[in-house]
Amino acid sequence: GIQVEQSPPDLILQEGANSTLRCNFSDSVNNLQWFHQNPWGQLINLFYIPSGTKQNGRLSATTVATERYSLLYISSSQTTDSGVYFCAVSTSGNNRLAFGKGNQVVVIP
Amino acid sequence: EAGVAQSPRYKIIEKRQSVAFWCNPISGHATLYWYQQILGQGPKLLIQFQNNGVVDDSQLPKDRFSAERLKGVDSTLKIQPAKLEDSAVYLCASSTEDRGTATQYFGPGTRLTVL
Repeated sequence: GIQVEQSPPDLILQEGANSTLRCNFSDSVNNLQWFHQNPWGQLINLFYIPSGTKQNGRLSATTVATERYSLLYISSSQTTDSGVYFCAVSTSGNNRLAFGKGNQVVVIP
Repeated sequence: EAGVAQSPRYKIIEKRQSVAFWCNPISGHATLYWYQQILGQGPKLLIQFQNNGVVDDSQLPKDRFSAERLKGVDSTLKIQPAKLEDSAVYLCASSTEDRGTATQYFGPGTRLTVL
């Protein structure tokens, strides 16, 4: 099956700092989603982005499908940004998502 | 619009006991997914329904896990008998369709501890 690798696995940020999370995948995809899992375990949709660039407030994402990677940018980080960020992709016609291991982000005040 | 609902939120059982989880997807979503998330890992798909039919159950341990979506809306996931390694968060998700362009929305999950 498709391999999804996320880096860095762990990241500690000072509040107000910017960061970039990376997701590499091993095959062509028709679905790519970024999620934020908060400390209570809820998976929150951030972006549906199989290609191109999107922005939502302080977050933005870019997927370069031809080079099989996606980037999630966090600007002016806040303590509420803490949690695990997951990249998930689907290559199959039935939308089965394969998840990476996540990026654990801690933002300290 | 209400999100994906799951219950219970937490469950503690002893090994060899049975347990069931319930999921109500977003209204109008034809596709429903059950994922298992073990601590420190990303979620793994267990089973996918399109309306009341199974689309993919290739990673469901069928000797002990079962799932149904009889009327194409709510779904239940059952484990019988439970093993220690079943301790995990069980996440339900839904999407409008099963095509690769459909965004999946997740419920809050049920955290299962098997003692």
